[in-house]
Amino acid sequence: EDQVTQSPEALRLQEGESSSLNCSYTVSGLRGLFWYRQDPGKGPEFLFTLYSAGEEKEKERLKATLTKKESFLHITAPKPEDSATYLCAVQAGGGGADGLTFGKGTHLIIQP
Amino acid sequence: GAGVSQSPSNKVTEKGKDVELRCDPISGHTALYWYRQSLGQGLEFLIYFQGNSAPDKSGLPSDRFSAERTGGSVSTLTIQRTQQEDSAVYLCASSFSGEGTQYFGPGTRLLVL
Repeated sequence: EDQVTQSPEALRLQEGESSSLNCSYTVSGLRGLFWYRQDPGKGPEFLFTLYSAGEEKEKERLKATLTKKESFLHITAPKPEDSATYLCAVQAGGGGADGLTFGKGTHLIIQP
Repeated sequence: GAGVSQSPSNKVTEKGKDVELRCDPISGHTALYWYRQSLGQGLEFLIYFQGNSAPDKSGLPSDRFSAERTGGSVSTLTIQRTQQEDSAVYLCASSFSGEGTQYFGPGTRLLVL
């Protein structure tokens, strides 16, 4: 069974204080690993897709990395508008279901 | 261009009633997905359509749940004889094919009294 575990569950940072969110996964053949941002009352907003170990992607203050067992979302010098829940998901290969398996998310609060 | 749209945005119903939730995917996307997000839980995959067919219905919680897609576009998720445990946010997503990034709609918040 595919599993995704995110840590920490919640994180409170001061504005400008860099940190990393962790996503550990077990999957039968990784087709892709996805990071989404979700604001209260809204649907998940796509951030990054990673396909193979060693891959890295960046967007503004965010950088996502991938190994064979986990992914990190690094947040550099965050601002209050970066406050949100960050979701990690995997899509398994092998011709099975194409639905994503999600972790429970990390609730990030950036204090001014 | 327009993103994934869902309607209604909110639905309050009484236990035992049937409800229909609608999803309009991004134009040109052949794959469509339904998920459920319950309070304190992660997103749970329900069903996936490629075109009008659903190769995988294994995520549907019970036989009270059904979904269809017509014309390779709009999809409807129907919950019959709703129960209080069906209260959740129902999210729809679409992708260009079965591969790659899924883009989500804003969700329908269902409350069963």
